[in-house]
Amino acid sequence: EDQVTQSPEALRLQEGESSSLNCSYTVSGLRGLFWYRQDPGKGPEFLFTLYSAGEEKEKERLKATLTKKESFLHITAPKPEDSATYLCAVVSSSNTGKLIFGQGTTLQVKP
Amino acid sequence: KAGVTQTPRYLIKTRGQQVTLSCSPISGHRSVSWYQQTPGQGLQFLFEYFSETQRNKGNFPGRFSGRQFSNSRSEMNVSTLELGDSALYLCASSLSPGKSSYNEQFFGPGTRLTVL
Repeated sequence: EDQVTQSPEALRLQEGESSSLNCSYTVSGLRGLFWYRQDPGKGPEFLFTLYSAGEEKEKERLKATLTKKESFLHITAPKPEDSATYLCAVVSSSNTGKLIFGQGTTLQVKP
Repeated sequence: KAGVTQTPRYLIKTRGQQVTLSCSPISGHRSVSWYQQTPGQGLQFLFEYFSETQRNKGNFPGRFSGRQFSNSRSEMNVSTLELGDSALYLCASSLSPGKSSYNEQFFGPGTRLTVL
């Protein structure tokens, strides 16, 4: 069964303190791994798509990487506005229309 | 370019009633997926529509149904509401699943359903 596990569940950082969020996955034929950001009361906002092991993508203070078993979302010198829940999701070759989500990591960045 | 829109944004119903939620995808997007989000279960896939056909269905009871129209707009219906149906219902649209890659899904703001 396809599965996604994110860790930690919650993370508190001081402004400027870099860290990484983990997304471990078990999927039959990975078609894509996606990172989203979700603010309270809003829908998830798309951040990155990764398709194959070794791929990396960057956007401002965020960098996503992918291996055959997991993905990391690195946050460099975070700011309070980076506080949100970060969601990881995968699509498998057997269910191309279905995103399977992890439970998310709630990040709080204190000034 | 306008994003995914969902109506209504908030809804309060009582047990036993039924509800219809609406989703308008991004212009040009032909695939629409629906998800239920609750604090305990997180985001769970309900179903996906492409070209007016249901392509995928999640593990939800038959009380949950949906449809897609020729303009790609979609509706989902929940009949005989239960307290446990209280959740944020999210709609996402994408261009269409490709053969060699997968197109990103873009989410709407959601409909917050409260069942009393």
